[in-house]
Amino acid sequence: DIQVTQSPSSLSASVGDRVTITCRASQSISDFLNWYQQKPGKAPKLLIYSASNLQSGVPSRFRGSGSGTDFTLTISSLQVEDFATYYCQQSYSGATFGQGTVLEIK
Amino acid sequence: EVQLLESGGGLVQPGGSLRLSCAASGFTFSTFAMSWVRQTPGKGLEWVSGIGGGGDRTSYADSVKGRFAISRDKSKNILYLQMNRLRVEDTAVYYCAKDQADHDDSWTLEYWGQGTLVTVSS
Repeated sequence: DIQVTQSPSSLSASVGDRVTITCRASQSISDFLNWYQQKPGKAPKLLIYSASNLQSGVPSRFRGSGSGTDFTLTISSLQVEDFATYYCQQSYSGATFGQGTVLEIK
Repeated sequence: EVQLLESGGGLVQPGGSLRLSCAASGFTFSTFAMSWVRQTPGKGLEWVSGIGGGGDRTSYADSVKGRFAISRDKSKNILYLQMNRLRVEDTAVYYCAKDQADHDDSWTLEYWGQGTLVTVSS
């Protein structure tokens, strides 16, 4: 199986901050990398697909980049509703999720 | 409106079996790949299995290979997960999810159900 390692595991930030979450795959996965947001008690929500494509309805402050083994999710100006847990997922061979990043209010 | 409604969860003893169902509506079921994803309470997500729109392509996580079987009934618009030889570590909320693009089988999960809880315990 392809492993994906996400960092950091948790992050404290303030409204208006710019934050970056990284995801590293154990082998090259081209751009088969997706990002999800999950809030407590809810199912995950697709934010970014194919590494850098913004899912319909997702605010433009979310940006994904990368290819091969290294990927990033950047939120340019945090809003209150962005505090949640974020997961990356490779879909190059089967699918594997990263361990998640909990984004908390500082 | 896309709707995915899981059912079939419950309490089962180790070594037992359970079949989960996911009733789908609001889209052309036969043209989209579907997946099962689980989440241990308070923990992260694990993709369990996926099936292509045509039903002929399936994929499994190593942790469930040989014990779980995914299938779909296109006439009823229902996705299934047959879980055999269940272990304590299979305890989780199980979500069904729909692929983003039709005829693609990409495991890019656009719509999710609300989940059903499976508890494996003696």
